[in-house]
Amino acid sequence: LAKTTQPISMDSYEGQEVNITCSHNNIATNDYITWYQQFPSQGPRFIIQGYKTKVTNEVASLFIPADRKSSTLSLPRVSLSDTAVYYCLVGEDNFNKFYFGSGTKLNVKP
Amino acid sequence: EPEVTQTPSHQVTQMGQEVILRCVPISNHLYFYWYRQILGQKVEFLVSFYNNEISEKSEIFDDQFSVERPDGSNFTLKIRSTKLEDSAMYFCASRDSLRSEQYFGPGTRLTVT
Repeated sequence: LAKTTQPISMDSYEGQEVNITCSHNNIATNDYITWYQQFPSQGPRFIIQGYKTKVTNEVASLFIPADRKSSTLSLPRVSLSDTAVYYCLVGEDNFNKFYFGSGTKLNVKP
Repeated sequence: EPEVTQTPSHQVTQMGQEVILRCVPISNHLYFYWYRQILGQKVEFLVSFYNNEISEKSEIFDDQFSVERPDGSNFTLKIRSTKLEDSAMYFCASRDSLRSEQYFGPGTRLTVT
């Protein structure tokens, strides 16, 4: 499985757009890219998933360049409640095995 | 909104004892997972389960661990002889057959003394 690398932490202010980039140089052809959010003492929560180009849902966008060796999670206009750890996962299309990286701790300030 | 539930929320046990952690996945989901998270560390995959069989397991999931779906609703993780290093938060997750999105439960905090 492809290893992922993310920044350990990021700071932002309320109302700003936040972009968190994940590196996955060894991504395989069948791998999808998935992002989860985790608040303290809670289970992770699915944010978004993509294979290539751009995916957008009601909470985030995911940008994946053509070589798929990285991906960027974009959170528009963050609020204090977006303070959490964000994990980038790369998994096979059978979705039976998932490995979480160390995650990026996002701290949103007022 | 349907959700995954886990019991107990906190389990304290002595080293060497057996523990069973219980999960009730979302009712129409067919794929089930267990993860653990040691305090302050990343979430670690343990095992995935489908059609009453283990699909994948990690190197953490050794002979001390077992999973079972004893009836139509519960999914359990058993640790046969707990060690101090098994102290962690254990998360159950499930998903349906159409989407890869996993729904996680609130976790069981296991403390081994």
